[in-house]
Amino acid sequence: GENVEQHPSTLSVQEGDSAVIKCTYSDSASNYFPWYKQELGKRPQLIIDIRSNVGEKKDQRIAVTLNKTAKHFSLHITETQPEDSAVYFCAALSSNTGKLIFGQGTTLQVKP
Amino acid sequence: EAQVTQNPRYLITVTGKKLTVTCSQNMNHEYMSWYRQDPGLGLRQIYYSMNVEVTDKGDVPEGYKVSRKEKRNFPLILESPSPNQTSLYFCASSFRGGLGQPQHFGDGTRLSIL
Repeated sequence: GENVEQHPSTLSVQEGDSAVIKCTYSDSASNYFPWYKQELGKRPQLIIDIRSNVGEKKDQRIAVTLNKTAKHFSLHITETQPEDSAVYFCAALSSNTGKLIFGQGTTLQVKP
Repeated sequence: EAQVTQNPRYLITVTGKKLTVTCSQNMNHEYMSWYRQDPGLGLRQIYYSMNVEVTDKGDVPEGYKVSRKEKRNFPLILESPSPNQTSLYFCASSFRGGLGQPQHFGDGTRLSIL
């Protein structure tokens, strides 16, 4: 079946450094790739998304890149801050079925 | 305020006692979905609905039922709950599912099945 693999499962960086989280997906019909941030005890919240007709999207310190050929997409956070500490999830939506498949999550810790 | 509302937020119950978790959205969204979140497994889709009277199985539908009789409501039913259904559950909605619209999540329901 469809799946999304996310790496690393944990990531620790110093404040001001960059963080990169990578995901691969299996369903070639996937056409929408959102990223969610979940703080402890709270709901997931969308931070950025990208559609299959775009290779890169940026929003201030956050960027996402998509390589459809390789079925690979990544989240880049620059100039990390302690408030970026959270669990991040990638996901891929199948245009055929409407299923949204999530990765396993990455716990990001930004040390002051 | 645009929101997805789940009830109850917390529930402790016993094996076999039927329960329903309600989900309601006020954004006129067509797409609604249920997920369960377990440590190390991320968010797994249980059921989703592309529109009224249309429901489909996600990745982990066993032991759950849903219905979509009205656009705003999407209840999750556990007919005979078991301890392996102890989890954190999220309901989410988006304007259109297949077109790739951001999903809005509820605050979650923590279920403990003893």
